[in-house]
Amino acid sequence: GIQVEQSPPDLILQEGANSTLRCNFSDSVNNLQWFHQNPWGQLINLFYIPSGTKQNGRLSATTVATERYSLLYISSSQTTDSGVYFCAVDVQGAQKLVFGQGTRLTINP
Amino acid sequence: DAGITQSPRHKVTETGTPVTLRCHQTENHRYMYWYRQDPGHGLRLIHYSYGVKDTDKGEVSDGYSVSRSKTEDFLLTLESATSSQTSVYFCAIKGSLEEKLFFGSGTQLSVL
Repeated sequence: GIQVEQSPPDLILQEGANSTLRCNFSDSVNNLQWFHQNPWGQLINLFYIPSGTKQNGRLSATTVATERYSLLYISSSQTTDSGVYFCAVDVQGAQKLVFGQGTRLTINP
Repeated sequence: DAGITQSPRHKVTETGTPVTLRCHQTENHRYMYWYRQDPGHGLRLIHYSYGVKDTDKGEVSDGYSVSRSKTEDFLLTLESATSSQTSVYFCAIKGSLEEKLFFGSGTQLSVL
């Protein structure tokens, strides 16, 4: 099946810093999404981005489908950005998202 | 927020007992999913449904069954709970193949 790898596994930053999270996948996909799991366990959908670039406030995401990777950018980090960030992909023809292992982001004040 | 309700939120049960978790949606979405989340394993798909009475297995389906008799409800049953099924279970919904996936708040299940 498709492999989804996220890097780095852990990232510790000071408030105000910028960060880039990466998601590599092993096969062509027709659906790629980014999620944030906050410290209380809630999973929030950040982006649906099978290709191209999207921005939402301080967050933006870019997917280069031909090269099989996606990047999540967080600018001017805040402590509320802490948590685990997951990417998930849906193989063409399938109906189920496969998740990466996540990147744990800690933003210190 | 997507209208997804999981029940119960927490459950403690004993090995060998049957357990049913419920996911209820108010969005009339076609696709519904059950995932489990464990340390070191991320989120893994157990079963999913693509319509009433239409279900299929995910990557970790052994020991679990599901049913969907109405669009809004998707039930996950542990036929005989084992300690390895101690986990956090998340339900998720999606309107079509190319739409966002939305999660419920999760059920913390402990099997003693």
